[in-house]
Amino acid sequence: SQTIHQWPATLVQPVGSPLSLECTVEGTSNPNLYWYRQAAGRGLQLLFYSVGIGQISSEVPQNLSASRPQDRQFILSSKKLLLSDSGFYLCAWSALGTEQFFGPGTRLTVL
Amino acid sequence: GENVEQHPSTLSVQEGDSAVIKCTYSDSASNYFPWYKQELGKRPQLIIDIRSNVGEKKDQRIAVTLNKTAKHFSLHITETQPEDSAVYFCAARKHGDGQNFVFGPGTRLSVLP
Repeated sequence: SQTIHQWPATLVQPVGSPLSLECTVEGTSNPNLYWYRQAAGRGLQLLFYSVGIGQISSEVPQNLSASRPQDRQFILSSKKLLLSDSGFYLCAWSALGTEQFFGPGTRLTVL
Repeated sequence: GENVEQHPSTLSVQEGDSAVIKCTYSDSASNYFPWYKQELGKRPQLIIDIRSNVGEKKDQRIAVTLNKTAKHFSLHITETQPEDSAVYFCAARKHGDGQNFVFGPGTRLSVLP
């Protein structure tokens, strides 16, 4: 069966520091991968999606970037965090014709 | 592109009553409509979905209806229980468009004991 992992689970970082969040999927090949951000009490904002290795599409302009160095690995990065980057970051995967499956999330607090 | 609206944004019901959440979509090519439940601090999880070739689908106390002509779909929860309290998100996606899940803004459901 398929599983999706995210780490770390929680993170507290100072403003201006770098960020790296990792997401990996097991049990499937060539998944579509997604990064979402959810501010407290808000909806799901799609940040990036990827349909294959090295293929990244950005939905909103921001100081974040994403990379997909391997088929089942998706990384969200920032060179300098802003206060507004705080939130709950969710990775998700899907295969054609199926629903999205979400990872457990990373709660990021930027101070 | 697709736009999904969701109403109400908050909903409070008494335990045992029914709850209905409605979503509308704009792209007539969308053909897959999942509903997710997100409990506080946890990931969204799929609770039910419907494809465009079906008008209604039911799973125990949860049902979803789809009106393709009007481009709206609804989540129905009967005999609500306190554990149904959560945020519910609807979404729409086009066939084969794996990257294009568009989510509604969410509905916070509170079931009062």
